[in-house]
Amino acid sequence: DIQMTQSPSTLSASVGDRVTITCRASQSIGRWLAWYQQKPGKAPKLLIYWASSLQSGVPSRFSGSGSGTDFTLTISSLQPDDFATYYCQQFDSYSLFTFGPGTKVDIK
Amino acid sequence: QVQLVQSGAEVKKPGASVKVACKTSGYTFSDYYIHWVRQAPGQGLEWMGWINCKNGGTNYAEKFQGRVTMTRDTSTNTAYMELSRLRSDDTAVYYCAKILTGYYSFDYWGQGTLVTVAS
Repeated sequence: DIQMTQSPSTLSASVGDRVTITCRASQSIGRWLAWYQQKPGKAPKLLIYWASSLQSGVPSRFSGSGSGTDFTLTISSLQPDDFATYYCQQFDSYSLFTFGPGTKVDIK
Repeated sequence: QVQLVQSGAEVKKPGASVKVACKTSGYTFSDYYIHWVRQAPGQGLEWMGWINCKNGGTNYAEKFQGRVTMTRDTSTNTAYMELSRLRSDDTAVYYCAKILTGYYSFDYWGQGTLVTVAS
């Protein structure tokens, strides 16, 4: 099975900061990588699919990049509503889905 | 608008089974797969499997094979996830999610159903 790692596990930042979260797959997954935002007590929300495509309605300060094994989620200017936990998710050739362990973004 | 509305919280004893419903609306039910994802308290997201709502075909994560059954009712546009032989570590919020076809990501989610397994 493909394993997913994320770094950092926790990130402390201030409003207006540029934030970067990294996701790494244990083997190549092409561009089959999505990013989600989750707030306490809520379902995850899709931000990015196909590694870099912005989901409809998601602010343009969110962007994704990467392919193969290394991927990045960037928030260009952190807003108060962005403090949350972020997960990456991959799809592989065995029709299996795996989530990363998550990155919590909190207030510095 | 697309909506996935799940059944309410459940409390079960170890060894019992639980069946969670996911009622959908706002799109053509049989055109999309429904996936199930769970989240233990304070933990990350864990994919459980999917059901093809057109033909009922399923694919389960290896961890849950033999204990999970996913079904659907096309007359009510509802998907179901049944987990048997419950253990305390099955205590979690269970989510259903609709697949974004062609991109293997989840664009709409249910609100979640808390299943508590305790003696």
